[in-house]
Amino acid sequence: GNSVTQMEGPVTLSEEAFLTINCTYTATGYPSLFWYVQYPGEGLQLLLKATKADDKGSNKGFEATYRKETTSFHLEKGSVQVSDSAVYFCALSDSWGKLQFGAGTQVVVTP
Amino acid sequence: DTGVSQDPRHKITKRGQNVTFRCDPISEHNRLYWYRQTLGQGPEFLTYFQNEAQLEKSRLLSDRFSAERPKGSFSTLEIQRTEQGDSAMYLCASSPPLRLAKNIQYFGAGTRLSVL
Repeated sequence: GNSVTQMEGPVTLSEEAFLTINCTYTATGYPSLFWYVQYPGEGLQLLLKATKADDKGSNKGFEATYRKETTSFHLEKGSVQVSDSAVYFCALSDSWGKLQFGAGTQVVVTP
Repeated sequence: DTGVSQDPRHKITKRGQNVTFRCDPISEHNRLYWYRQTLGQGPEFLTYFQNEAQLEKSRLLSDRFSAERPKGSFSTLEIQRTEQGDSAMYLCASSPPLRLAKNIQYFGAGTRLSVL
């Protein structure tokens, strides 16, 4: 079956540092890939998506590239802010749209 | 666009009681999903509706769980004879028709269930 594996947290960074969160997946067919973010006390929000190989999703300074050859969708941001502190979830969707999530990675950005 | 609404936000119940949660999707979204999220984990799929038809159920959804979406609008998730292991955040998401949305789902804030 489908599965998503992402790096464990928490990841603690200083403001303006570079952030990478690794995500790899196992899936049949050609899933769409997503990063969702959950800020403290809030619901899940879509951060970015990619629907086919080599697509790059980007939003709010975050980027991730759909790499079919390495089955990866790593999230990156060049300069994090305190407001980026949140839990980040990598996910894939099947043909029904059902999402399979990773366990989440907590990111803590300190001033 | 008022977003996906879930009610209640919090529910505390005693073991063995029945509980029901409601989800109001974004209007004109024909697809609706329920997920369960436990502490420190990602959401896990429970069930999926397209309009009023329940098209898929996870094996996580035991006989004590039932979900409905009458008339293809709001949905309810009922848990009968609650157990302490049912304590979790229950999330609802909705999505436009598949041909339009590229599988993008919009999540509600969730209902946090605590079973004592």
